[in-house]
Amino acid sequence: LAKTTQPISMDSYEGQEVNITCSHNNIATNDYITWYQQFPSQGPRFIIQGYKTKVTNEVASLFIPADRKSSTLSLPRVSLSDTAVYYCLVGDNDMRFGAGTRLTVKP
Amino acid sequence: DAGVTQSPTHLIKTRGQQVTLRCSPISGHKSVSWYQQVLGQGPQFIFQYYEKEERGRGNFPDRFSARQFPNYSSELNVNALLLGDSALYLCASSLPSGVYTGELFFGEGSRLTVL
Repeated sequence: LAKTTQPISMDSYEGQEVNITCSHNNIATNDYITWYQQFPSQGPRFIIQGYKTKVTNEVASLFIPADRKSSTLSLPRVSLSDTAVYYCLVGDNDMRFGAGTRLTVKP
Repeated sequence: DAGVTQSPTHLIKTRGQQVTLRCSPISGHKSVSWYQQVLGQGPQFIFQYYEKEERGRGNFPDRFSARQFPNYSSELNVNALLLGDSALYLCASSLPSGVYTGELFFGEGSRLTVL
């Protein structure tokens, strides 16, 4: 299983763009990269998923370089409600969470 | 459409007791996974079931067991409870294996407190 490494915590301010990078040096050919968001006492919620290059949806973008050994979740213009823990997962049907990145958005 | 439902939402047990947690996946989802989340940590993978068969197992002792029923619902059983089993237990469902989307749909969890 590919292991992921993320920063433990990040701080930002409302309206800023936040980029959270995840390292996954041992990613396998069949592995997808998936990001989840979790609020306290709730189950994680899917944000975005990608395999290579760039993926964008209504809430985030995911940038994946050609070697796929890292990925960056980009949250545009964060608000206070984006304060949460963000998890990067790499796998193929066997999704295991790391410690995640605790993002704190300040006013 | 109903999401993943888990029961009970909260429960308190004493050391040595046994607990059964239940999960109903989203309609059409045939895979169910169980996670344990201790306060301040990420969810730890316990089991994955697909079509009533165990497809994956995390690093948990044999006191933890699970099963999946013909309607794809699932139960997680924990025997001989320890204080360290106190956690939020999360169930997630996903589309059938072979139709991989990487998207797990989580329930709100069952919070177990062991005294």
